[in-house]
Amino acid sequence: GNSVTQMEGPVTLSEEAFLTINCTYTATGYPSLFWYVQYPGEGLQLLLKATKADDKGSNKGFEATYRKETTSFHLEKGSVQVSDSAVYFCALFNYGGSQGNLIFGKGTKLSVKP
Amino acid sequence: GAGVSQSPRYKVAKRGQDVALRCDPISGHVSLFWYQQALGQGPEFLTYFQNEAQLDKSGLPSDRFFAERPEGSVSTLKIQRTQQEDSAVYLCASSRDRADEAFFGQGTRLTVV
Repeated sequence: GNSVTQMEGPVTLSEEAFLTINCTYTATGYPSLFWYVQYPGEGLQLLLKATKADDKGSNKGFEATYRKETTSFHLEKGSVQVSDSAVYFCALFNYGGSQGNLIFGKGTKLSVKP
Repeated sequence: GAGVSQSPRYKVAKRGQDVALRCDPISGHVSLFWYQQALGQGPEFLTYFQNEAQLDKSGLPSDRFFAERPEGSVSTLKIQRTQQEDSAVYLCASSRDRADEAFFGQGTRLTVV
């Protein structure tokens, strides 16, 4: 079946530190991969996505590369800000037949201290 | 509308009570999804609509859960005879097409006491 595993939090960093949140997946076929972010008091927002192997998604300084050989989609940012404090969810979408919905990891809470 | 709107934002129900949660998707979005997010977990798929047709309800946890979208726009998720394990945030998402970017509402937090 399809599943997503991401590193457990919480992750606490100082401002301007480097961020990595690991995500690996299990899926049949060729899923699309996503990172969603949930800021305090807000709904889930798409942060970035990649639809095929070796694609790199990027947005707001965050990047993730679709690695089929390691079934991974790790999220990185070179210099985090206090405003990046949020919960980050890795997800996949595998579309086939009557099935097709997002499958999420458990989420990783990031706190950035000034 | 500008985004996906869900109401109520918070709902407290006594065990055994029926509840109805509403979702107003983005205008013109064909696809509508419901997800359940337990505390400390990621969202889990419940059901999917394409216009008014419920094409996938494989994630509904029991026959107490029922969803409808009669005119292909607003959707209602109904939970009958609520149990404590139903306590969660219920998220609605809409998209132009099933595989397109999904836009999420802020969710309804249901607490069953």
